[in-house]
Amino acid sequence: DGGITQSPKYLFRKEGQNVTLSCEQNLNHDAMYWYRQDPGQGLRLIYYSQIVNDFQKGDIAEGYSVSREKKESFPLTVTSAQKNPTAFYLCASKAGTGWNTEAFFGQGTRLTVV
Amino acid sequence: GESVGLHLPTLSVQEGDNSIINCAYSNSASDYFIWYKQESGKGPQFIIDIRSNMDKRQGQRVTVLLNKTVKHLSLQIAATQPGDSAVYFCAEKETSGSRLTFGEGTQLTVNP
Repeated sequence: DGGITQSPKYLFRKEGQNVTLSCEQNLNHDAMYWYRQDPGQGLRLIYYSQIVNDFQKGDIAEGYSVSREKKESFPLTVTSAQKNPTAFYLCASKAGTGWNTEAFFGQGTRLTVV
Repeated sequence: GESVGLHLPTLSVQEGDNSIINCAYSNSASDYFIWYKQESGKGPQFIIDIRSNMDKRQGQRVTVLLNKTVKHLSLQIAATQPGDSAVYFCAEKETSGSRLTFGEGTQLTVNP
């Protein structure tokens, strides 16, 4: 079955550590996105990538890094520079830049700093 | 019942009523809009979309209206059911590129 998979579902991190969240899609989509969602709030764009080996900062990129070495993978690293990393992280992919190409979301990774 | 989006993030309706969820967007360069439904602890799911050259699009029990003059988008849900209870987000895409930006969201609660 085609889809987008995030792992792990729950992640605990000690302060000062970097952690990497996985996002894999087998939909052959060009565009991939990372969003952060805080309780009771909307989705804020962290990074997005329109094509392999290229990515752009979103609205809240500070303290995060990404890579896009393969079309199907867009991992997000939450670095120790991110002051408040506890949140729900959502990855999405989209077929292209045209209309009528909806974005498909993974089920999310809930990151907690302990 | 009707929400006013950013100023009223919750909407409570009775089962069987029609619901209207509103969204204001600010980017006049946006050419494509999507409504998503998010249930607790899950990723958003696509509901319906509309392109900027349209002002109305209908799906099953849902209708999206777009008013580009005032940069306003609404989602109408007919005969709301308890399973419709969720947070609803609008999203917009710029004409150039694939950046997808989400609105704040509205929590819809359907009372039996």
